[in-house]
Parts: sequence; structure tokens; C-alpha cells
Amino acid sequence: QSALTQPASVSGSPGQSITISCTGTSSDVGGYSYVSWYQQHPGKAPKLMIYDVNNRPSGVSNRFSGSKSGNTASLTISGLQAEDEADYYCSSYASSSTLVFGGGTKLTVL
Amino acid sequence: QLQLQESGPGLVKPPETLSLTCTVSGGSISSGTYFWGWIRQPPGKGLEWIGSISYSGSTYYNPSLKSRVTISVDTSKNQFSLKLSSVTAADTAVFYCAGLSGYFYHKFDYWGQGAPVTVSS
Repeated sequence: QSALTQPASVSGSPGQSITISCTGTSSDVGGYSYVSWYQQHPGKAPKLMIYDVNNRPSGVSNRFSGSKSGNTASLTISGLQAEDEADYYCSSYASSSTLVFGGGTKLTVL
Repeated sequence: QLQLQESGPGLVKPPETLSLTCTVSGGSISSGTYFWGWIRQPPGKGLEWIGSISYSGSTYYNPSLKSRVTISVDTSKNQFSLKLSSVTAADTAVFYCAGLSGYFYHKFDYWGQGAPVTVSS
């Protein structure tokens, strides 16, 4: 079971949109519509931002959206704000009832 | 609104067994709505799923840790626990407990604040 592949870092200016990719295989991301995204600020626990590819939990801003194509899922943040600066992790259900995380992406708001 | 709180020693000597407990409040651990899981994060690194357990005790482990991990549930105390045996310095991490839901109990809805554990002699 290998970690999902995410870019180490992305950046954007306030008001812009950014996209973070999460690449797996047909045994995880590509095989199931059960990809989630988590936001983690320094020293804090992760927070669920997107689940089942493109669903937002109650209370999460509609500036956050998700999608998937083949073995790659994506998180898009529109109207970037300073408070969005954080680490972002994807996760996916995988075969044999296991779960796998991505390596994480550090988002910098310029 | 569920709340989860990790507890246990912050320092473990190699090659002893790391033991942590997660206490769930705001709901019953045996409701069947959630699975319960453990995740770890080494210093400066990413998240790693360790394993999950149902209220009835069915367990699912990360294949890379399976030989050293035991997760158990105590419904009478509304707690679940993690044991990681034969620890080394590489097991130093912040350990999070979480409540999972979804079709395959695949999404981490609720998280504890995290418990830092250092493995050192």
C-alpha cells in the first residue's frame, strides 16, 4: 500500500484559485468514489473539507470543491484567503478494506 | 457533536509497547454510526492511517503495521485503544484518534487533538 501522490507545495495570491492533485491507482482513487480531503493548520488536528470526491460537510465554505478523473482526484480552492494557508491531505478507500493518505501539500497564500 | 480525547504516556522506550486510549464523549461508541480509528503523524511529515475498529470489534489494519498493531474497544468505558509493539525511534509521532463514517467507514469526521509520543531510551 503506497501513499497517494500530492505536490509538496502550491501557492497563490488572495482571490485566486488553486488546485491540488492527488494521484493513486485503480486500487484506490481510481477504483472508488471515496476520496476525502483534509485541512491541517500547524499544531492542529486535521479537518474534513471534502468527502466522497465532491461533497462538503456542513459548515465548510463553498469555495472548496473536489473532482476526480481516472486515478487522480483534485481539490480546488477558489477566492483564496489568508486563512486557507495550511497543509492539505487527500485520502482514499483502498482495496482490502484499507485507507491510504496522500503525502500532503503545503498551501502558501502569497 | 462527538469529542475524542487521546491519553497515554508521552515517552516510550524501545523496544517496548506503545499504548494509547481514546475516550469518546457526546455519543455512544456502540451506536454503530461510526468506526473508530488511529492515525499517526511523524514530526514534519504526513498522515498515516494505522487502523480502524467497529463497535463490535472487527478490525482493519494498515498492512505495513499489521504485525505490530492491536486496536481494541471497551464499550463499557466508551473508549478504544491502540497498542503498537516493538517500537523504535521511527515510531515517534503525534497520534490521533478519530471517528469514521461513510459507506466503507472511509472518512474521518471527528478527530482528537492529538497525543505526541516520543520513542527514546
